[in-house]
Amino acid sequence: GAVVSQHPSWVICKSGTSVKIECRSLDFQATTMFWYRQFPKQSLMLMATSNEGSKATYEQGVEKDKFLINHASLTLSTLTVTSAHPEDSSFYICSARVPLAGDQPQHFGDGTRLSIL
Amino acid sequence: DAKTTQPPSMDCAEGRAANLPCNHSTISGNEYVYWYRQIHSQGPQYIIHGLKNNETNEMASLIITEDRKSSTLILPHATLRDTAVYYCIPRSPRDDKIIFGKGTRLHILP
Repeated sequence: GAVVSQHPSWVICKSGTSVKIECRSLDFQATTMFWYRQFPKQSLMLMATSNEGSKATYEQGVEKDKFLINHASLTLSTLTVTSAHPEDSSFYICSARVPLAGDQPQHFGDGTRLSIL
Repeated sequence: DAKTTQPPSMDCAEGRAANLPCNHSTISGNEYVYWYRQIHSQGPQYIIHGLKNNETNEMASLIITEDRKSSTLILPHATLRDTAVYYCIPRSPRDDKIIFGKGTRLHILP
């Protein structure tokens, strides 16, 4: 079945640094991937849609200069949290599905736990 | 997107069937009902989906009412590893986006 992998699983860094998170589709090509953020005891919140070869589409209220998304190949999307601060600490999750696959489901990565000190 | 209503939490004894309800009264004709679960500190896991007919796979069964306004996910023999938040999500095949509601936190009791 379709597998989505995220790296790293967790990262701790100092305030002011930038952090890059990778999302890969391992056994299929994904023209579209999605990035979510989840705070403790809350549901997943969609941040943006990552489009291969074009600009990402951000949900309302998500700062595109803060959360840079690059989808340079059909199997890799990256999310860079720029100048991270403690309030950016969260669980970041990506998803993808096989394109033009009708009712086939989205598959999710295992998430990246980001802690900013 | 259709809105959903799920109970915030449920308990179920280990070994018993867990029945998780979902109300999606505004679902449109081309929207499937998808169920995912999220075990603590992991990404969501796909469970099952259906359009009109009841569905069964190795993980669960999905019962959809004839009017499609509600559905029930059934875990036939719940184990402690089924403790998770369960999300019911209507989605059209034309839409790639998934919008999560609050889900149901299922506790399996030993």
